[in-house]
Amino acid sequence: DAKTTQPNSMESNEEEPVHLPCNHSTISGTDYIHWYRQLPSQGPEYVIHGLTSNVNNRMASLAIAEDRKSSTLILHRATLRDAAVYYCIPVRGSQGNLIFGKGTKLSVKP
Amino acid sequence: EPEVTQTPSHQVTQMGQEVILRCVPISNHLYFYWYRQILGQKVEFLVSFYNNEISEKSEIFDDQFSVERPDGSNFTLKIRSTKLEDSAMYFCASSAAGGLYNEQFFGPGTRLTVL
Repeated sequence: DAKTTQPNSMESNEEEPVHLPCNHSTISGTDYIHWYRQLPSQGPEYVIHGLTSNVNNRMASLAIAEDRKSSTLILHRATLRDAAVYYCIPVRGSQGNLIFGKGTKLSVKP
Repeated sequence: EPEVTQTPSHQVTQMGQEVILRCVPISNHLYFYWYRQILGQKVEFLVSFYNNEISEKSEIFDDQFSVERPDGSNFTLKIRSTKLEDSAMYFCASSAAGGLYNEQFFGPGTRLTVL
């Protein structure tokens, strides 16, 4: 499984954009990059995933570096509800088992 | 919106006892997973299940653990003889067509406390 490096914690102000980086330099060519988050006292929640191209959905955008060794999750306008631990997870195999790291704890200030 | 449900929300048991944690995945999903999270630690993969058999399992998922899909709706995790270190939050997840291309939907978890 590819190793990931994420900042332990980040802070943002409410209604400002947040860029959460992830380094996955050992990713293989067929690994998809998934992002999940875990709000306090809840189960993990899917955010977004991609392979090579940048992706957008209603929750966030995912920018993937051309060499795929890093990616950035972009929350366009952080809300208090976005305070959570964010996990970047390279996923391989059709089962898509998720191997979680420590993630980035995002705090959002009003 | 469909969701994964888990029961009970909290289970307290004595060391050495058997426990069964229950999950109802989303109805048209085909891939099922169990994860656990010891308090203050990261989420750990336990096992994946597809087509009525285990697809992959981690080192944690030893002979004390088993999974079953006894009917068309439930997915269970059994721990045969609980140990103190089995105390954790256990999350069930399901996916429509495999987690590589699709999101996994997680349940709210069952908190297992082994005394």
